[in-house]
Amino acid sequence: QKEVEQDPGPLSVPEGAIVSLNCTYSNSAFQYFMWYRQYSRKGPELLMYTYSSGNKEDGRFTAQVDKSSKYISLFIRDSQPSDSATYLCAMRTDSWGKFQFGAGTQVVVTP
Amino acid sequence: DAGVTQSPTHLIKTRGQHVTLRCSPISGHKSVSWYQQVLGQGPQFIFQYYEKEERGRGNFPDRFSARQFPNYSSELNVNALLLGDSALYLCASSKGFEQFFGPGTRLTVL
Repeated sequence: QKEVEQDPGPLSVPEGAIVSLNCTYSNSAFQYFMWYRQYSRKGPELLMYTYSSGNKEDGRFTAQVDKSSKYISLFIRDSQPSDSATYLCAMRTDSWGKFQFGAGTQVVVTP
Repeated sequence: DAGVTQSPTHLIKTRGQHVTLRCSPISGHKSVSWYQQVLGQGPQFIFQYYEKEERGRGNFPDRFSARQFPNYSSELNVNALLLGDSALYLCASSKGFEQFFGPGTRLTVL
């Protein structure tokens, strides 16, 4: 069993819809959680980070962490075609630990 | 401020050869990590360096090695290349717990 599970998709949504992405994990020691966006053949771009349970909002993005369920989510409101990319969740046990990534979910936003 | 830079952008090698990949972190960042990303998968951790010392190593064979220089730039070396080493190699620099990635070096082994 992988430490971090993420549905690979593809997830196809119409423009303007809410995109809902999630990851589950098995290691209860994970404390820091991040979401990255990766366009084809590019490096991952940091979108959101959090180190506590609850919600964090930044513009159209909301990150949610539920440590009791070992489950994190990313919501993208008012999705745009430019949001079409692969979204990666990543987590680490402390500020120095290695990041463990999910496999990434491919999102396609259709006009 | 410039982001993380990596060179070269693309590289084609044959089996058995050696390759050196280079990374310059964001100014002020003292920690550099290397990841391998195979198509369709998330990045896999290879090494982390901080202040020129190795702070972590992933589950990769000894053919993979790295070092960090006094200016915090870093090199990743891979010896005796195998077809399976074909991947996007990502460098990331961090200050605190945020980690920022470079554009990657795409290595193709023929």
